Amino acid sequence: GAVVSQHPSWVICKSGTSVKIECRSLDFQATTMFWYRQFPKQSLMLMATSNEGSKATYEQGVEKDKFLINHASLTLSTLTVTSAHPEDSSFYICSAGGNSYEQYFGPGTRLTVT
Amino acid sequence: GENVEQHPSTLSVQEGDSAVIKCTYSDSASNYFPWYKQELGKGPQLIIDIRSNVGEKKDQRIAVTLNKTAKHFSLHITETQPEDSAVYFCAASKSRGAGGTSYGKLTFGQGTILTVHP
Repeated sequence: GAVVSQHPSWVICKSGTSVKIECRSLDFQATTMFWYRQFPKQSLMLMATSNEGSKATYEQGVEKDKFLINHASLTLSTLTVTSAHPEDSSFYICSAGGNSYEQYFGPGTRLTVT
Repeated sequence: GENVEQHPSTLSVQEGDSAVIKCTYSDSASNYFPWYKQELGKGPQLIIDIRSNVGEKKDQRIAVTLNKTAKHFSLHITETQPEDSAVYFCAASKSRGAGGTSYGKLTFGQGTILTVHP
């Protein structure tokens, strides 16, 4: 399957600061990327869908001004958690897809806000 | 919107036995059903998927069956091994765009913790 990377794999930040997470599709062009959040022992919850060159579509209940998503190229999408708080601590996972049904997931980023 | 229910939440089997995980979905327009394996601290890995135009698909020890009428699909793992131990998620989505070649949002089941005892 296709390879999707995320950076960083884990990050610790202080409350009130911003954190940027990168998602890259390494061997294919991703027309659409998805961002998920996963709390311990829970399923993946979709946060937003981003198409290259256009604004992201956020799921209900997800603050678009807090979770900034940029999908500037077919191989890179970024998620910025602004003014992070301890309740934003979670496992953030991106996925990428091209012109087929499949979605390929990144390895995830563990965010801890202190 | 789509709702996916997954059972059981935990499954414990002996090495060599078979494991079956079942999912039901609510949206009859869903036409793509992937299964993911997630190991601790890692992202989900696609292990098998099925589209609504087929009823069964097999890949070595793993198979998926789909019953569109009943709106349920199942994952079957035969000859289980300790390395199969992980959390398994089913998901459903429906195509969007012309020609059915693009895809939509995935709705995930709640996950099944599979433990294979040596």
